Amino acid sequence: GEEVAQTPKHLVRGEGQKAKLYCAPIKGHSYVFWYQQVLKNEFKFLISFQNENVFDETGMPKERFSAKCLPNSPCSLEIQATKLEDSAVYFCASSHRGYALSAEQFRNEQFFGPGTRLTVL
Amino acid sequence: KQEVTQIPAALSVPEGENLVLNCSFTDSAIYNLQWFRQDPGKGLTSLLLIQSSQREQTSGRLNASLDKSSGRSTLYIAASQPGDSATYLCAVEWTGGFKTIFGAGTRLFVKA
Repeated sequence: GEEVAQTPKHLVRGEGQKAKLYCAPIKGHSYVFWYQQVLKNEFKFLISFQNENVFDETGMPKERFSAKCLPNSPCSLEIQATKLEDSAVYFCASSHRGYALSAEQFRNEQFFGPGTRLTVL
Repeated sequence: KQEVTQIPAALSVPEGENLVLNCSFTDSAIYNLQWFRQDPGKGLTSLLLIQSSQREQTSGRLNASLDKSSGRSTLYIAASQPGDSATYLCAVEWTGGFKTIFGAGTRLFVKA
């Protein structure tokens, strides 16, 4: 598609439950990024992918967070045993990256989805 | 440590005024810098991206400049309009990884 799609829009979970968020990148974009924005504060980088390969996961709280980007499937971000502090909006972004010969310029912009608002009660 | 700082945190201007938003970053070995706007309750809209080899980018009334040696970028908005009211975010990606760090943003209010 021409836009990054994220589902669901809203997700409510009780503390300790699992949450799974999905992201479909723009068609042709091979890079995917996940961010967390708590209470309209700063965007915190979580993880990046190049196709199905993790590129940088230094922002991920690994004990409870995991993410995947499998071929022919939306990317996913899963939180096991959610905590109250996980309440946030989770944004996904995709990017083409690299030099586009047809446009004679770099195409490195990240395009963001509308986000998934996760509320942990 | 790689950090991105934006000043001012908030700005209120009358319609028609030209304005400058500032972004500073530590570590000049950047890959690119991107300016976004975020409207309340919405996602991010990409405004301009400057590669490390570029000095500026322009789109309509927006002009973004990059000075790597001083670790600064500015976003210039000409002839501001009430529709420009939003939070403007600066995001920096450094070489060596696909990790982007955002500034805290500048909340802009343009009064009609």
